[in-house]
Formats: sequence, C-alpha cells, structure tokens
Amino acid sequence: QKEVEQNSGPLSVPEGAIASLNCTYSDRVSQSFFWYRQYSGKSPELIMSIYSNGDKEDGRFTAQLNKASQYVSLLIRDSQPSDSATYLCAVKDLGTGGFKTIFGAGTRLFVKA
Amino acid sequence: DAGVIQSPRHEVTEMGQEVTLRCKPISGHNSLFWYRQTMMRGLELLIYFNNNVPIDDSGMPEDRFSAKMPNASFSTLKIQPSEPRDSAVYFCASLQQSSYNEQFFGPGTRLTVL
Repeated sequence: QKEVEQNSGPLSVPEGAIASLNCTYSDRVSQSFFWYRQYSGKSPELIMSIYSNGDKEDGRFTAQLNKASQYVSLLIRDSQPSDSATYLCAVKDLGTGGFKTIFGAGTRLFVKA
Repeated sequence: DAGVIQSPRHEVTEMGQEVTLRCKPISGHNSLFWYRQTMMRGLELLIYFNNNVPIDDSGMPEDRFSAKMPNASFSTLKIQPSEPRDSAVYFCASLQQSSYNEQFFGPGTRLTVL
C-alpha cells in the first residue's frame, strides 16, 4: 500500500515566522508532488507543485523535494494568520489505467497574531 | 474557466433515502475523482474515471454506493439506501492526464443523513 505520511499537528507558529511542513512518501518511483491548502469548510486548493529535486519558490511559499530520502516539504515565510489551514501533501501514483493522487492526512497550521 | 462544479452544495436526507450527487469536471480534463472527507478518516478516494471509464472503485465502501460517468462532462455518485454514517463532505475533482497530473477540486457537497 503506497502511503504519504504527514505530522497531523497542530503546528503553531507566531505571525511573521517561518512555518515548515514535512511529508514522506513510500513509493520510490513517484515523480510529481503537490501541496494543497484546505481552509475549514472549503475544498482543497492546489498551491504548489514540484517535480525535480531541490527547491521551488512561489511568493512566500517554497517547496523542497529530496527523492533519495523520499521527502518533500513546504516552507511558508512571513507566516500570516490567513495561512492558518490544513496543508495536504499529495503524490502522483501511476495505477492501472491512469494516474491518481495519493493524499496525506494533512497538517493543521495555526498562525498566531 | 468555471472550475469543477458540484451540486447540490448541501443535502439533508433521512436514513433509507436515495441520494444523488452530481459533478461537472473542468472542460478538457479526462480524469474524474470522487472523494469523501470526514474528521475521523480524512480524505478518502472512492472511485476514479479515466476517459469516462471507471478505473479503480476499490474505495467505494459498500454496494450501496455507485458512480457513473455517462459522458466527459458529467458524473454522478449515488447512495441507495443512505445511512447516518454516510454523512460527510463529498468532493469531486478532475485533471488532465499528463506528466504533471495537477488535480482540481470542486466545492464539495455536504451530506447529512438523519
């Protein structure tokens, strides 16, 4: 059973700090990785995709991928109260007949004003 | 683009009734996914379709659940008969099969079975 593991949290950081969210996955051949943000009562929203080892930056968000360690992380710089949400790590899985996405259970982030 | 469209947004029904949830994927996307989310179990994949063909329904909890995709722009998830334990938020998502596989979610249907 392919798995995506995340610390459920909650992770609490003060406003302006860096929030670091981590994720490990079990399938060595995975090639595509995603971070979704889900506000309470809303649907998951794709915020970052990463496909190559290293860092990918988009505004205050940086995704980091290390395929050798099967590890992907999301850094949020200058955290804001509006970043308070659950963050879902997801990994592309090639199943029979087409791709699907395997999601972690999510990490709850609280940013304190 | 309108995004993934789901209806209804909220459904309250009584145990034993039939429930039908509807989804319109993003135009041009050829894969569609149905998920269920609860506090206890998180986000669960129920079934997914590729080019309108069901590929993996191993997540469908029981025979009471069924899903169809008669064409590229419409899918239904049916629960018959419904039970209180089916109460959850049901999400539909779609993507274009490619090397990137970026998946987009609809707003969800909040189902309450009394």
